[in-house]
Amino acid sequence: GDSVTQMEGPVTLSEEAFLTINCTYTATGYPSLFWYVQYPGEGLQLLLKATKADDKGSNKGFEATYRKETTSFHLEKGSVQVSDSAVYFCALIGSSGSARQLTFGSGTQLTVLP
Amino acid sequence: EAEVAQSPRYKITEKSQAVAFWCDPISGHATLYWYRQILGQGPELLVQFQDESVVDDSQLPKDRFSAERLKGVDSTLKIQPAELGDSAMYLCASSRYGETQYFGPGTRLLVL
Repeated sequence: GDSVTQMEGPVTLSEEAFLTINCTYTATGYPSLFWYVQYPGEGLQLLLKATKADDKGSNKGFEATYRKETTSFHLEKGSVQVSDSAVYFCALIGSSGSARQLTFGSGTQLTVLP
Repeated sequence: EAEVAQSPRYKITEKSQAVAFWCDPISGHATLYWYRQILGQGPELLVQFQDESVVDDSQLPKDRFSAERLKGVDSTLKIQPAELGDSAMYLCASSRYGETQYFGPGTRLLVL
């Protein structure tokens, strides 16, 4: 079945540091890929998505590129802020099957220190 | 910007009691999902609706959990009786036709 593997956390960075959170996936066909962010005590917010190979999703300074050859969708940001502290989830919707369900990674806790 | 609404935001109950959560999806979204998220883990799908029909409830503990979406709009998730292990965040999400899912703020349940 489909699966998502995320870089284990927690990750602690200083403000303005460069962020990379690794995400790799296993799926048949051509899944759609997503990054969601969850702030403490809240639901998940869609951060960005990509629906086909070589697409780059971007939002709020975050970027991720759909790499089919390496089955990866790594999240990057050039300069993190304290307000970026949250849990980040990589997820996919597989292209096979009719249910079109999200498969999540285990999440990566990011803490940004001033 | 339209959002998924959920209530209550927090619920504390004693074991063996009944609890219910409500979700109102984004207008026009035919697909509705209920997830359970245990602290420190990713969300796990409990049930998926397409309009008023259940598409997948294979992970729903049917001896104590039930879900309905009678008119194909809002939905209710019920637990009866609640157990200590049910303490978690319950998330509702919706999508237009099974693509990008948008999540509500969640209901945090604590069973004592």
